[in-house]
Formats: sequence, structure tokens, C-alpha cells
Amino acid sequence: EDKVVQSPLSLVVHEGDTVTLNCSYEVTNFRSLLWYKQEKKAPTFLFMLTSSGIEKKSGRLSSILDKKELFSILNITATQTGDSAVYLCAVLGTYKYIFGTGTRLKVLA
Amino acid sequence: GAGVSQSPSNKVTEKGKDVELRCDPISGHTALYWYRQSLGQGLEFLIYFQGNSAPDKSGLPSDRFSAERTGGSVSTLTIQRTQQEDSAVYLCASSLTRGESGELFFGEGSRLTVL
Repeated sequence: EDKVVQSPLSLVVHEGDTVTLNCSYEVTNFRSLLWYKQEKKAPTFLFMLTSSGIEKKSGRLSSILDKKELFSILNITATQTGDSAVYLCAVLGTYKYIFGTGTRLKVLA
Repeated sequence: GAGVSQSPSNKVTEKGKDVELRCDPISGHTALYWYRQSLGQGLEFLIYFQGNSAPDKSGLPSDRFSAERTGGSVSTLTIQRTQQEDSAVYLCASSLTRGESGELFFGEGSRLTVL
């Protein structure tokens, strides 16, 4: 059965810290891996990764995919209180996006 | 439309009643997904539409749940004889291409509370 596992489940850090969120997967016919940020209701898109070893970067956020070891990491540097959210990892298989349970990040001022 | 639109945003109903949740995807998006998110949980896949057909409805929890999509656009998720365990946020998402790698665009969700 296809599955996506995220770790840690939750994380509390102080402003300025760097965090690394993990996503491992076992999905048939892997097509892409996506990261989303969910603050209230609708998840908002962060990154889409399809190739191994190519880092995607947006401001303080970056992500990379390892298709051999079947995992991805999301890094956030110099965290701010506005980064507090649930971060979701999703993997597209044949045509279905399978989501992990998310990592709840809380950044303290 | 500019984004994925869902209605109602909130629905409170009594156990045993039927409810309908509506999703209006981004214009031109052929793929449409329904997910359910219970409190503190991840997104649980319910059903996927490509155009008006549903190649994968494996996530529907029981035969009380059904969904349809008409005109390759609006979709309705119907829950019959609601139960308290149906309480959750129901999220709809659409994407441009046929199952190819692409960003999923989410609506704001419909929060269902069954008393």
C-alpha cells in the first residue's frame, strides 16, 4: 500500500533557528513530490520536486529530493513566527496525491 | 474562476440528515480531488475525477458517500445519513493536467459538524 510518512510530527523552535522536516515515501509509479504549508484551512503550495539532487529554493525555504532513498527534506532557515504552520508532504503516484500526516511547526518569539 | 471555490464553508447538521458539499474548480482544470481532514490529521483521499469520470473512488469511506462531476467542472460530494464520525473539513482541489505532475490548488474547505 502506498504511504507517505513525515517526521517529526511536531516541533517547537525559537525564532532564528533552522529546522529540517522529513518526508519518506513508498508510492507506486512516483511522479512528483510536493510540499504544502497549511495555516488555517487551504494548504498553500511551496515546492514541487521531480528530479533527485536538484535543490528548490524560495527565500528561507529550500527542499531536495532523493529518489534512490525515497525521501525529501524541507529546510527553513532563520525561522520566524509566521512560519508556524503544518507542513504537508504529498506524493503523486499514478494519478492520486497521497499526503503525509504533516509536521506541526511552532516558532516562538 | 480565480481559485477553487467551495460551499458551504460551514455546515452543522443533525445525525441522520443528508448533506451536499459543492466544489467549483479553477476554469480549465480537468483533474479534481476530494480530501477529508479530521481534527489534527493529515489529508485523507476520497475520490479523483478526470473530466466527468471517477477513475479512483477507492477512498470513499462507505456507500453513504457519493460524488459526481458535471460538465467537467462543478463537483458535488453527497453524504447520506450523516454520522458523527463524518465531522471533518472536506477539501476540494483541482489541477490542470491529466494526472501529470502539477500543482494542486485547494479550496478553503467545507467544515462539516454532525451533532
